[in-house]
Amino acid sequence: DIQMTQSPSSLSASVGDRVTITCRASQSISNYLNWYQQIPGKAPKLLIYAASSLQSGVPSRFSGSGSGTDFTLTISSLQPEDFATYYCQQSYSIPPITFGQGTRLEIK
Amino acid sequence: EVKLLESGGGLVQPGGSLRLSCAASGFTFNSHPMTWVRQAPGKGLEWVTSISAGGPTTFYADSVKGRFTISRDNSKSTLYLQMNSLRPEDTAMYFCAKDLRMGATIDVFDMWGQGTMVSVSS
Repeated sequence: DIQMTQSPSSLSASVGDRVTITCRASQSISNYLNWYQQIPGKAPKLLIYAASSLQSGVPSRFSGSGSGTDFTLTISSLQPEDFATYYCQQSYSIPPITFGQGTRLEIK
Repeated sequence: EVKLLESGGGLVQPGGSLRLSCAASGFTFNSHPMTWVRQAPGKGLEWVTSISAGGPTTFYADSVKGRFTISRDNSKSTLYLQMNSLRPEDTAMYFCAKDLRMGATIDVFDMWGQGTMVSVSS
């Protein structure tokens, strides 16, 4: 199974900050990497697919990059509604589909 | 508008069974793979099972293989999850999710339902 490891596990930041979250795969997954945002009590929301493609309707302050084993999600200027938990997910080798453990983004 | 509405969750004793449903609308249901993902209280996301658009191909996490069965009725635009031999560790919110792309590849989940809670306890 491919393991996905996110860092950091939690992060404190302020409105307007630039934030980067990292996701590392235990083996190469090409660009089969997706990012989701989850607000407490809500369903996950797709932000980025295929490592760098912005999902329709998602603000352009979100961006993704990487290929192979190392990926990043960047929020260029944090907004109040961005404080949530973020998950990466691989679909290169299934089953199983695997998610990272999540990165909780909190207000400083 | 794309909608996914789960139902069927509840409290069940260990060893019991439940059948979850996910009613879909707003898209061509029979063209998209579908997936169940669960989230235990306070924990991260865990993929459970997926089914291809036409239904013949299914995948399961090792943790549920042999106990859970995914199926779909394309005539009713509904996804199902039959859960048997339930264990306390199956306690979680269960989400159904739609694949972004049409076809057989299970890849990326662009729409999710609001979830249905399953609690397994005596």
